[in-house]
Amino acid sequence: DQQVKQNSPSLSVQEGRISILNCDYTNSMFDYFLWYKKYPAEGPTFLISISSIKDKNEDGRFTVFLNKSAKHLSLHIVPSQPGDSAVYFCAARDNTNAGKSTFGDGTTLTVKP
Amino acid sequence: ETGVTQSPTHLIKTRGQQVTLRCSSQSGHNTVSWYQQALGQGPQFIFQYYREEENGRGNFPPRFSGLQFPNYSSELNVNALELDDSALYLCASSLGGAGPGTQYFGPGTRLLVL
Repeated sequence: DQQVKQNSPSLSVQEGRISILNCDYTNSMFDYFLWYKKYPAEGPTFLISISSIKDKNEDGRFTVFLNKSAKHLSLHIVPSQPGDSAVYFCAARDNTNAGKSTFGDGTTLTVKP
Repeated sequence: ETGVTQSPTHLIKTRGQQVTLRCSSQSGHNTVSWYQQALGQGPQFIFQYYREEENGRGNFPPRFSGLQFPNYSSELNVNALELDDSALYLCASSLGGAGPGTQYFGPGTRLLVL
């Protein structure tokens, strides 16, 4: 049973518009959530994170929203740029298994010029 | 400051063989985690090493084993390779064991089992 799900395998947006990537989770023990970006032939790169005690965290063009009651988080990129084109992974951690991050299967974002 | 490096970049093995993958953690990091990423899927946690001790393990059989050395570099060993072990193997280093410290990933080793 997949505990972190990214239901959209791909997303295409126009440059300058907003990109919204979604992620759902099932495990109530998750207390920390992260987004990673991955380019081909590179490892995932940390983008932004949020603790379960918050509902929003912002860093420049990137904002992550957490809705604990719905077990849902989203990553907003505004404005989107062609360099943002990559695979985005949502990941979650719990404090019952030291250091383990559970990843979704990723969403491929394409930003068109 | 050097980033996380992994070797080799690519590897081809046959079923039943054994493989060792290597990871050098980022300078100053004492924690290394290993992940397996199958095609079209997200990384799956194999295990983590903190100060040379295994510090958490995912749902992988015992033929997946590891080591961490005093300089915090790490090895992943897989015995009795199976076709399904074909994947990208990622290591990530961080500081502080199980805390929410940011993990820095290496570029991965792509393993193909024939």
